[in-house]
Amino acid sequence: NAGVTQTPKFQVLKTGQSMTLQCAQDMNHEYMSWYRQDPGMGLRLIHYSVGAGITDQGEVPNGYNVSRSTTEDFPLRLLSAAPSQTSVYFCASSPSPSNEQYFGPGTRLTVT
Amino acid sequence: DAKTTQPTSMDCAEGRAANLPCNHSTISGNEYVYWYRQIHSQGPQYIIHGLKNNETNEMASLIITEDRKSSTLILPHATLRDTAVYYCIVRVSESGGNYGQNFVFGPGTRLSVLP
Repeated sequence: NAGVTQTPKFQVLKTGQSMTLQCAQDMNHEYMSWYRQDPGMGLRLIHYSVGAGITDQGEVPNGYNVSRSTTEDFPLRLLSAAPSQTSVYFCASSPSPSNEQYFGPGTRLTVT
Repeated sequence: DAKTTQPTSMDCAEGRAANLPCNHSTISGNEYVYWYRQIHSQGPQYIIHGLKNNETNEMASLIITEDRKSSTLILPHATLRDTAVYYCIVRVSESGGNYGQNFVFGPGTRLSVLP
């Protein structure tokens, strides 16, 4: 099992550009989520999904879109990047809310 | 709002037990206490969780007070590789409901294990 994988590991964008952060898991987990972590802070939930075709907003959803067409993949889209979106992004999955979450290695995004 | 309060930082000598406290005075009866850690800039790693009984696994022990308003994570023999930020989280365990709002990572405790 590769666990939770994220691509790319690093990305630099210019303000206004769009991009998609990829997240995939091979553990057949129903629940997946995206967090962002700013320097010296804890993680904040952006969006989450309780299964294919079902997504919902977390604490800081503005500026981000998600979709969940398959159990394995949960991409995060930035439609028009802003410097405030400079952060480290973590994807996580779990078999159910009662189980621990498994996190990916993160994507470090810089928006100039 | 964070449901937990943790010290900002702690030091521990290598080989000694590291005791990390967490206050969760508003914890509900159906909420579990979870501990995660984050080493350097890696993704968080699950350590342990419990409801009201003390728990132990290969990584750590979790001691929850009888009134459940606080808990302590114990790393019995800390090593340099245990240097990390440790997060205490309370959340419900049932499936369904407001899953997305239930996992709140605060700033955590930065544990430094010193040689």
